[in-house]
Amino acid sequence: KQEVTQIPAALSVPEGENLVLNCSFTDSAIYNLQWFRQDPGKGLTSLLLIQSSQREQTSGRLNASLDKSSGRSTLYIAASQPGDSATYLCAVRDNYGQNFVFGPGTRLSVLP
Amino acid sequence: DAGVTQSPTHLIKTRGQQVTLRCSPISGHKSVSWYQQVLGQGPQFIFQYYEKEERGRGNFPDRFSARQFPNYSSELNVNALLLGDSALYLCASSLVRTPRWGMDSPLHFGNGTRLTVT
Repeated sequence: KQEVTQIPAALSVPEGENLVLNCSFTDSAIYNLQWFRQDPGKGLTSLLLIQSSQREQTSGRLNASLDKSSGRSTLYIAASQPGDSATYLCAVRDNYGQNFVFGPGTRLSVLP
Repeated sequence: DAGVTQSPTHLIKTRGQQVTLRCSPISGHKSVSWYQQVLGQGPQFIFQYYEKEERGRGNFPDRFSARQFPNYSSELNVNALLLGDSALYLCASSLVRTPRWGMDSPLHFGNGTRLTVT
């Protein structure tokens, strides 16, 4: 059974700092991995999708990497801004492609 | 283009009642999935529907059921509500059910329905 963990559970940084969020999964037989952002009381916004054959994806100040063999992904946020404050979740889709398994999320606060 | 829309946004029910939640996927998306998110946790998979057929089911009791209509919209039904069913129910749509190799098919979520059972 796939299990996804995220470290740290919460993170508080001053504005402008670069930061890394970590995601680990137990079964490396994944099809892809997706990072999401969730604002309080809201749905999930897709940030980046990495196929299992890819090593990383970039969008603006965000860069996500994937090391399938070690069961790890990182989300790098450059030059953080107060508007980046949210909960960040990673999710892996198994090779059957039927559903995603989510981690518990990392709650990020960027202080002005 | 409109994103995934869910209704209602909030709902309060009492134990033992039944509830129906609705979801309209992004235009052109044929796959709809339902997730339950309890406060402080990541979403848990409930169902996936594709072309009006159930294609996947998570570890939820038979009190939970769903269906997909010819226009690809979907309903989630929960019978005999328990206090523990209080959660944010999220609907997600995607272009295909099983991504073909090398084809991006990210999940797109609605804002959810907040269900409170008292």
